[in-house]
Amino acid sequence: KAGVTQTPRYLIKTRGQQVTLSCSPISGHRSVSWYQQTPGQGLQFLFEYFSETQRNKGNFPGRFSGRQFSNSRSEMNVSTLELGDSALYLCASRQGSYSYNSPLHFGNGTRLTVT
Amino acid sequence: DQQVKQNSPSLSVQEGRISILNCDYTNSMFDYFLWYKKYPAEGPTFLISISSIKDKNEDGRFTVFLNKSAKHLSLHIVPSQPGDSAVYFCAARDAGNMLTFGGGTRLMVKP
Repeated sequence: KAGVTQTPRYLIKTRGQQVTLSCSPISGHRSVSWYQQTPGQGLQFLFEYFSETQRNKGNFPGRFSGRQFSNSRSEMNVSTLELGDSALYLCASRQGSYSYNSPLHFGNGTRLTVT
Repeated sequence: DQQVKQNSPSLSVQEGRISILNCDYTNSMFDYFLWYKKYPAEGPTFLISISSIKDKNEDGRFTVFLNKSAKHLSLHIVPSQPGDSAVYFCAARDAGNMLTFGGGTRLMVKP
């Protein structure tokens, strides 16, 4: 079974631009979460989607948004990029319902650099 | 305020010895805890988990201990191998099913 796929792997953008990242979950997984990883900050939760509905949202500004499609694929968008948005963005999927006790399976991430 | 903390940013251990990675949390509503391992240029991979109703869970060389009264959990790796060198994240789940991660500990196992 294929793992979580994130595209692109690397992105370089200029301050003020916007960016869209894509995530394809493991087949059969209906929950998709997004995390931001920066040095020293660990993994910061952005949001989680289940069946096209946002279930949870982390403490990030409104410039960060996401959505999930009917095939469970997800995208996240960051508008008006700032230098501090440079990070590794990780997508994770899990099996089962919203409250199911299953671990997250992560993709390899998209490394975003804002110059 | 960080609800999940890994106070040691790095740990160096000799091959064959025990590695102990620690994690502290502040939210008493966390009911499920997990450890993930991350190699460079890869996403984190799930290692082991423990429910708050237990105090120990073992899987091969990996054992997780939970001390609820101290709000502390630890991951023991015995014996440590060079391939265990990675960044380890602990994570805790709340009633809203959201995972909160610690800042990570870089483990280096020396041959």
